[in-house]
Amino acid sequence: QQQVKQSPQSLIVQKGGISIINCAYENTAFDYFPWYQQFPGKGPALLIAIRPDVSEKKEGRFTISFNKSAKQFSLHIMDSQPGDSATYFCAASIGGSNYKLTFGKGTLLTVNP
Amino acid sequence: NAGVMQNPRHLVRRRGQEARLRCSPMKGHSHVYWYRQLPEEGLKFMVYLQKENIIDESGMPKERFSAEFPKEGPSILRIQQVVRGDSAAYFCASSTTSGSTDTQYFGPGTRLTVL
Repeated sequence: QQQVKQSPQSLIVQKGGISIINCAYENTAFDYFPWYQQFPGKGPALLIAIRPDVSEKKEGRFTISFNKSAKQFSLHIMDSQPGDSATYFCAASIGGSNYKLTFGKGTLLTVNP
Repeated sequence: NAGVMQNPRHLVRRRGQEARLRCSPMKGHSHVYWYRQLPEEGLKFMVYLQKENIIDESGMPKERFSAEFPKEGPSILRIQQVVRGDSAAYFCASSTTSGSTDTQYFGPGTRLTVL
C-alpha cells in the first residue's frame, strides 16, 4: 500500500517557468512533510520541509503549499533553472521523525535552457 | 569536512553470494540510517543505528539482512544469500542527533546488482 502518491512521474519545463510537483497522502497521522532533491549518482538532499500548522513555506525559489483537509502538498519551483534538473521526492513521517519517512516514487524534472 | 562516504559505489554479486556495504558517517555524526531504493520507487527506511546499538530495525527484512555500527569503523549493511530482488540502490545517511529538527545527510549510495 503506497501511502504517499506523487505526480507527475516526469516533468519538462522551460527555463524561467514554474515547476509544480504534487503529493497526496493517506495517513492523517503524518505531521512532517519534507521534499528531497536528488541529482544523478548522488544521494538525496533535504530541500525544504513543512509541518501541518502552516499552509505555505517559502525558501528562495522553492515553496511548499500544504492543504490539510485535502491531504495534499505540493512543491513549486519558481523561475526554474537548468540546474534544478533532478529527481524530486516528497516524503512524510509521523511524530516529526526525520528518518522514518515514507517517500513518494519521485518526479524527474528536466528544465530546458 | 568530508560528507557521508559509501563504498563500494557499485557492487555486482551472483545469486547466493554475500554483499557487504559500508558507510562512513560525516565527522561528528553518531547516528546512521540505511535506506533502500528499488528501481522506479522512493526510498524506504531500513534501519537506524547508533554506535554499537540498533535503535530501530523495523524496515529491515526479517531474513538475510543485518546491520551493525561498531565502536570503531564504518557501519556495515550485510545481505546474505542475495537474490535478484535485492538489486537496488542502498543509501546511508547520518546525523548528529535524532531530533526532529536534525538534518540527515545522505551518501552517494551503493548500487547493488544481483546476477
